[in-house]
Amino acid sequence: GAGVSQSPSNKVTEKGKDVELRCDPISGHTALYWYRQSLGQGLEFLIYFQGNSAPDKSGLPSDRFSAERTGGSVSTLTIQRTQQEDSAVYLCASSLVYSEQYFGPGTRLTVT
Amino acid sequence: AQSVSQHNHHVILSEAASLELGCNYSYGGTVNLFWYVQYPGQHLQLLLKYFSGDPLVKGIKGFEAEFIKSKFSFNLRKPSVQWSDTAEYFCAVNAGDMRFGAGTRLTVKP
Repeated sequence: GAGVSQSPSNKVTEKGKDVELRCDPISGHTALYWYRQSLGQGLEFLIYFQGNSAPDKSGLPSDRFSAERTGGSVSTLTIQRTQQEDSAVYLCASSLVYSEQYFGPGTRLTVT
Repeated sequence: AQSVSQHNHHVILSEAASLELGCNYSYGGTVNLFWYVQYPGQHLQLLLKYFSGDPLVKGIKGFEAEFIKSKFSFNLRKPSVQWSDTAEYFCAVNAGDMRFGAGTRLTVKP
């Protein structure tokens, strides 16, 4: 079946603008994660959705970051008033509970 | 939440050398353990996983990892690395939600 998809693949935006990043998880996967990967850095956990439970937002770096997951499927990560330090690759992954994650190709965000 | 430590930030080896990358986690309950690999310019992909049973698990491309419960460790090994193993390696632990280590960059010199 189809894997995890993310859109757009690349996004260039001006400092101060808002951006929305989309993730389509694998059908049936109840868990969805967002990560950020900066050049030469590891995976930075951002947010975790599991079924209908309240999301774990402990990794969001500031209140400019928010995410939602509609109908237990598609998720949108929103970054308001983007800053240059937000430039990174944003990765989405989905999984069944306790199981391995399947990663999307990522969205490369560049804030100019 | 559990945390995952990868002690080696960057490892440089020559081809045919043996590899061991350390991974330790902090969680006392039942965990599922994973190693992921990210080759340059590619997606993260699963290398191997441990859920239960034999603590020595075999993965793709000749990699293996050993779960030592008493040491809270899940170290990755390969007897003889190749230039094509140059990549970033991430250890991950799932005890209800997934947490990744910071990653270890492996450079294999031809």
